[in-house]
Amino acid sequence: DAKTTQPNSMESNEEEPVHLPCNHSTISGTDYIHWYRQLPSQGPEYVIHGLTSNVNNRMASLAIAEDRKSSTLILHRATLRDAAVYYCILRDPEGSARQLTFGSGTQLTVLP
Amino acid sequence: GAVVSQHPSWVICKSGTSVKIECRSLDFQATTMFWYRQFPKQSLMLMATSNEGSKATYEQGVEKDKFLINHASLTLSTLTVTSAHPEDSSFYICSARDRGSATGELFFGEGSRLTVL
Repeated sequence: DAKTTQPNSMESNEEEPVHLPCNHSTISGTDYIHWYRQLPSQGPEYVIHGLTSNVNNRMASLAIAEDRKSSTLILHRATLRDAAVYYCILRDPEGSARQLTFGSGTQLTVLP
Repeated sequence: GAVVSQHPSWVICKSGTSVKIECRSLDFQATTMFWYRQFPKQSLMLMATSNEGSKATYEQGVEKDKFLINHASLTLSTLTVTSAHPEDSSFYICSARDRGSATGELFFGEGSRLTVL
C-alpha cells in the first residue's frame, strides 16, 4: 500500500471546524482514500472515503486535491466526542482482500 | 452499517494459560478477517489474515503456533493466544470485509483487551 503522511497531533476548540491533512504523493490511480478514526480503547471506526471528487457524509467531508497527492478530512463542528486518532489510508479496491495498513495517524484533541 | 462484534471485550488471565477471542460479523458474510494487535500509544499492527475454510496467513514475526486462528464459517473467526505471557498483554482488534461491498470496506470490532498476569 502507498504511504501516507499525517501530523502527529492537532488541537481544536469545541464547535469549531477542524481540517486534518494527509499527504499521499505516491498514490496510484486506483487507490481510494479512506479515513478511519479510533476513539480511546475502541476499535477503528470508518469515517469517509473517496476517489477523486470531494465527498460529504453525516460525519465529515473529504476534500481531495486535484492531483490526488493530498487530502483533507473536515469536521465541520468539532465536539469533545471527536477526540480520537484519525488515520488516513490508501486502499485499492481491486485488492480489497488485503488488510488496511495503519500509519501513526493524527491525535486530535478537542478543547472545551 | 455493518457490525463486527468481538468477545470478550476484556480478559485477565494467569501466565501460561490460553485465551480465545471471538470475532463475529453480525449482518454480513466475511470470507476474510484480519487480526491486529495494538500496544499502548502505538498504531495497529497486522498479525494475520484469516481466510474462511483455509489456513491463516501470518505476518512476519508473528508465531503461528502461539496465535492460533480458526475461521470456520463466514461469520466467525477466533484467535487463541496459547500459553500467554505478560508480554502478550495488548489490545487485540479484528476486522472483516463485507464481500458484498463494491469498495471492500472494512469494519472493525470493538477490540479485546488482554492482560496477562
